[in-house]
Amino acid sequence: KAGVTQTPRYLIKTRGQQVTLSCSPISGHRSVSWYQQTPGQGLQFLFEYFSETQRNKGNFPGRFSGRQFSNSRSEMNVSTLELGDSALYLCASKTQGTNTEAFFGQGTRLTVV
Amino acid sequence: TQLLEQSPQFLSIQEGENLTVYCNSSSVFSSLQWYRQEPGEGPVLLVTVVTGGEVKKLKRLTFQFGDARKDSSLHITAAQPGDTGLYLCAALPPGGYNKLIFGAGTRLAVHP
Repeated sequence: KAGVTQTPRYLIKTRGQQVTLSCSPISGHRSVSWYQQTPGQGLQFLFEYFSETQRNKGNFPGRFSGRQFSNSRSEMNVSTLELGDSALYLCASKTQGTNTEAFFGQGTRLTVV
Repeated sequence: TQLLEQSPQFLSIQEGENLTVYCNSSSVFSSLQWYRQEPGEGPVLLVTVVTGGEVKKLKRLTFQFGDARKDSSLHITAAQPGDTGLYLCAALPPGGYNKLIFGAGTRLAVHP
């Protein structure tokens, strides 16, 4: 069974640009969550999609958005990039139910210069 | 304020030593997970504990869920350099509806 695939692995963008990151979950998983990880803040929840609908949202500005397609693949978009957006962006494919478990991709390392 | 408080934040030990890291909360959880993350990679699920007082072993790693399901510990026996990494606990907050939250993590360095 293939794991969670995130593309690209590394990305360098300049301030003001926008970026789109992609995540393909484990086959059969319908829930995809996105997290931002920085040394200072740790893993911060961005949002979760389930069956093409955003089900949960973290405390991030509207510049951060996402979507999910009918095949469960998800994308997140960050517009008007700021230096502080430099981080490791992680996608998690999740099981459902009371004991939900997250299976992470390798992440996309975004550097904003 | 973190819903899940992990301690210590950093731990630097020699190969062969034992260690325990903690994950504490004032909330009750239906389950709790432990993950390990290596630099530049995503976290990898190690274990899920569900029942209060539950103990699970994974080779040299022993995980315990508190009786009241508010806290958990991870004990590593005879640590090896390959155990180096960031250890994260995670849980669903009460009424969290699948919004898995993470502690800040314990960064472990095991030196040969």
